[in-house]
Amino acid sequence: EVQLVESGGGLVQPGGSLRLSCAASGFTVTSNYMSWVRQAPGKGLEWVSVIYSGGSTYYADSVKGRFTISRDNSKNTLFLQVNSLRVEDTAVYYCAREAAAAGSRHFDYWGQGTLVTVSS
Amino acid sequence: QLVLTQSPSASASLGASVKLTCTLSSGHSSYAIAWHQQQPEKGPRYLMKVNSDGSHSKGDGIPDRFSGSSSGAERYLTISSLQSEDEADYYCQTWGTGIRVFGGGTKLIVL
Repeated sequence: EVQLVESGGGLVQPGGSLRLSCAASGFTVTSNYMSWVRQAPGKGLEWVSVIYSGGSTYYADSVKGRFTISRDNSKNTLFLQVNSLRVEDTAVYYCAREAAAAGSRHFDYWGQGTLVTVSS
Repeated sequence: QLVLTQSPSASASLGASVKLTCTLSSGHSSYAIAWHQQQPEKGPRYLMKVNSDGSHSKGDGIPDRFSGSSSGAERYLTISSLQSEDEADYYCQTWGTGIRVFGGGTKLIVL
């Protein structure tokens, strides 16, 4: 059974940093593309970043240069290092697995989310 | 620019059917999309992928009441025999090289 469990969220001051984790089970994180998606309070879903199975990474313009996606194969875990946090980064952060079939990059499994609150 | 457009809200009666629409931006009418459901206070759940030819493939455990179809740049999610638990936000999603895109979401109210 595929499971994704996020952790690492919390309350942080503007300019601060956090490291979000997403522990995967039922598959290996290197076999699928993996993404982070966030949802600000009362708002819609916003894609944040993706890491390809080959290691290439991409970011939304709103987080480029501040966030870094990575993975630890030995721990089967996805990470998101979030630096220089702004009030507008306040959101629930979800990790999501992308389907493995070529040409199919939809999210087929989601975690339950971890809340990041940026406030002074 | 790859953009998905959804109506902000929809409503239908218990037991009835509803068809939600997701429209791809100009030049992207061949793209497949996925539908995701987000019930109140829960994380999103993958429902199905809908291809440009109207074929669709559903996620694990998704009831037969949920189906997908296409016409031109529009992708549809039809929910029949509406139940109270279908009241949720529905998001469409698509992808390109190095980018993933969500529509703004449609809030479905079951009357």
